[in-house]
Formats: sequence, C-alpha cells, structure tokens
Amino acid sequence: DIQMTQSPSSLSASVGDRVTVTCRASQTITNSLNWYQQKPGKVPKLLIYAASSLQSGVPSRFSGSGSGTDFTLTISSLQPEDSATYYCQQSYNTPWTFGQGTKVEIK
Amino acid sequence: QVQLQESGPGLVKPSETLSLTCAVSGGSISTYYWSWIRQPPGKGLEWVGYIYRTGSTNYNPSLKSRVTISLDTSKSQFSLRLSSVTATDTAVYYCARQIYSYGPLFYGMDVWGQGTTVTVSS
Repeated sequence: DIQMTQSPSSLSASVGDRVTVTCRASQTITNSLNWYQQKPGKVPKLLIYAASSLQSGVPSRFSGSGSGTDFTLTISSLQPEDSATYYCQQSYNTPWTFGQGTKVEIK
Repeated sequence: QVQLQESGPGLVKPSETLSLTCAVSGGSISTYYWSWIRQPPGKGLEWVGYIYRTGSTNYNPSLKSRVTISLDTSKSQFSLRLSSVTATDTAVYYCARQIYSYGPLFYGMDVWGQGTTVTVSS
C-alpha cells in the first residue's frame, strides 16, 4: 500500500493568514493526489483533484501543487469557515489511501 | 444534481454481516465508478472498495476476504456487504462517486452520501 503522511497534524492560524499543509507519498504517485475538507460531523468535500485542479464551486483561495511524492495544499487567506480537518488521498494505485488528516483551527 | 443516500441497519452483532445500500438519484449509475469509504469514530478515512458499471470490483486488501460490493442498475443502487464483523468495523460508512477519465485514470470522489453510522455490538 502507498502510505500518505501529512504535516503538520494540526495548526492554528489567524483569519487572513496563508496556510500550507503538506502531504508526502511513500512512492511516486505522479499527480494522482486529491484533497478533501471535512468539518465536524459533516461529509468530506473534494477541494482539489489531480494535485492542482480546483473542484467546481470551491473558493479560489484554495490551491494545490506538487507531483511525484510531495504535495501541498495552500489556503491563501484563511477564513473562519475554513476551520476543518483536511485529508490528502492518492488515487494512483489501489487501495486508495488517505493521509491521517491535518486539523486547521482559527486563532 | 446527483445525490447519494446510504441505508441499512445501524446496529450489527459481532460475527454477523453488515449490509448497506447506496441509492443514486439525479444521474445515471452506469457512468461512473462507485466507492465505499468508512471512518471509525474520531479517526481518519479508509477506502473499502469500488464497483464499475460492468460489475467489476476492486477491494481494499485489508478487508478483501470479507467484503462484497454489488450493483443493481435497474434500481440505481449499489450495495456493501461486510461479513464476520467485529467492533473494529464500527464506523460511519459513506458511499461516493469516483471521478475518472479514459485509461482509467482516477481522480477524487466528488459526490458523497450523508453517511450512515454502523455500530457492531451485542
């Protein structure tokens, strides 16, 4: 199985800050990397697919980058509604695997 | 607008079989791959498996000997069966639509059901 490792596990930032979450794969996954947002008690929501493609309806302050084994999710200007847990997921080889999650809190 | 809705028992006894159904509305079930994902309480996400319109399946090896996913296109629904359950199978179970392109190349899961909580307990 491909292992996905996210860092940090949690972070606290202020409204308006630029926030970066990283995800590393245990082997190359080309650009087969997706990012999800999950708020407490809610369903995961697809934000970014294929490493850098913004899912329809997702605010443009979210962006993704990377290829191979190292990927980044960036929130350019953190908003209160962005408080959530963020997961990366590889869709290069089955079984699809997720990172352990990064909890983003608002100071 | 495609919508997914999971249904099934919320309580299953240890050693029995968990059975869930995902109803697809607002779109064709014959166009995409369809996945099951689960999330134990307070933990992360685990992909269970997927099925394609042809009936072909792909399962997580960690569950492979116990899991079956099937498709009923006439009812526009797909189902999950997980046998010999234990307390570690307690989780919220989600069904989701898998985006893909020719190849196939797989992308993310863009439409999710609301999730159904399954507790394994006697």
